[in-house]
Amino acid sequence: DTEVTQTPKHLVMGMTNKKSLKCEQHMGHRAMYWYKQKAKKPPELMFVYSYEKLSINESVPSRFSPECPNSSLLNLHLHALQPEDSALYLCASSQGPGHYTFGSGTRLTVV
Amino acid sequence: DQQVKQNSPSLSVQEGRISILNCDYTNSMFDYFLWYKKYPAEGPTFLISISSIKDKNEDGRFTVFLNKSAKHLSLHIVPSQPGDSAVYFCAASEDTGGFKTIFGAGTRLFVKA
Repeated sequence: DTEVTQTPKHLVMGMTNKKSLKCEQHMGHRAMYWYKQKAKKPPELMFVYSYEKLSINESVPSRFSPECPNSSLLNLHLHALQPEDSALYLCASSQGPGHYTFGSGTRLTVV
Repeated sequence: DQQVKQNSPSLSVQEGRISILNCDYTNSMFDYFLWYKKYPAEGPTFLISISSIKDKNEDGRFTVFLNKSAKHLSLHIVPSQPGDSAVYFCAASEDTGGFKTIFGAGTRLFVKA
C-alpha cells in the first residue's frame, strides 16, 4: 500500500461546529504532516509529527488541534473555524527528508 | 518572507522541446531539494529530488540541477510531452527534528501538442 488516504474529501462546516479530518498511511513512514493550501498558493506547513510526537507547530491557531493516535493515523480536529480557514487540507507522510507521499486532500468550506 | 521562490507563474513549451523550471531559495540550512507535480483536485506527487551534496540528479526525462553558491535549482524536462502539463512545485527541506519542507509558489507548465 503506497497511498495516503484522507477522509472526508469534502467538508462544509459552520463556525460553531466541531469536526475532524482523518489521514491514514500504511507505508511505515516515521513522519506525518498537515499542510494547508489556498487557491493558487503553495502548500503551507501546519504540523509535523515524527515517531508519533508533535515536533513542529508552525504557529497554527488553537482552533486547529492535531492528534496522532498511532504511527499510521493522523487527525486534525477543527473547532470554531473562520471562513478564511476554508482551504484544501493536505496530509502527507515520509520516511526521509522531503520525499512526501501526499493524500488527495480534504476540501474544507467554513460557512 | 518567502524562503523558496518560483518567479515564473507559468511557462508554455512546444511538445518535444525542453522545459526549464527555475527555483531560488534563501535558507542555507536546507539540505534537500525536491520537485513535485500537481494536477487539479489531487495532492502533489513527488517527481525528483537532490541532496545538497550533489549538483545534478537525473531520472529519465527529468533532471534537477543544484547551484548551491547561487542558491538556485532548476528542473529540466526533455523531451516535453502534453501529459507533463501541470503545476510544478519546488520544495526545500531541512531536518529540525522533524522534516520541515517549504514549498515555492509553483509554476504552471503548458506543453502544446
